[in-house]
Amino acid sequence: DQQVKQNSPSLSVQEGRISILNCDYTNSMFDYFLWYKKYPAEGPTFLISISSIKDKNEDGRFTVFLNKSAKHLSLHIVPSQPGDSAVYFCAASADGGTSYGKLTFGQGTILTVHP
Amino acid sequence: DADVTQTPRNRITKTGKRIMLECSQTKGHDRMYWYRQDPGLGLRLIYYSFDVKDINKGEISDGYSVSRQAQAKFSLSLESAIPNQTALYFCATSVGDTDTQYFGPGTRLTVL
Repeated sequence: DQQVKQNSPSLSVQEGRISILNCDYTNSMFDYFLWYKKYPAEGPTFLISISSIKDKNEDGRFTVFLNKSAKHLSLHIVPSQPGDSAVYFCAASADGGTSYGKLTFGQGTILTVHP
Repeated sequence: DADVTQTPRNRITKTGKRIMLECSQTKGHDRMYWYRQDPGLGLRLIYYSFDVKDINKGEISDGYSVSRQAQAKFSLSLESAIPNQTALYFCATSVGDTDTQYFGPGTRLTVL
């Protein structure tokens, strides 16, 4: 059972435009959400996170939005740059239950930003 | 120097062979994790350890074992490798009650 889903395997965007990556989750115990970026031949690197007590967190060009009622989060990148081309994973954790202390990852979305 | 290192970076082995993947960290983190990445499946947790004396199975631990030799070292073993264990393997660390994990560069394992 996939508790964290990224339903778009890939996304193609023009440089300078907005990239929106989406993620859905099913476990209502999840209370912390993270986005990771992964370049080829490297490990995933932490990008941005959000706690369930917030609905938005911003860091430079990156903003994460959380809609708890819909169990949905999204990552906005504005403006998109060619160097943003990578695989993006969303992940979730819970403060208790069987998911405590662990991250559950989505399948990943390949973002390609064209010059 | 990288904070989380993995050796080897690439490995090709044959079905039935025993293989060990090693992970070392200089971040001083107490928690360590092993994941595998397969196309279309994201990262799946194999084993995790919250401290030296604590070892826990993840969602896909069958066919794998681990050893936490020290706070800084966490190794993953495949006792008898099989082709469907061909994947990218990542080690990660985190500290205390924080959720952010820091990943190593990965090991690409091919089982023929």
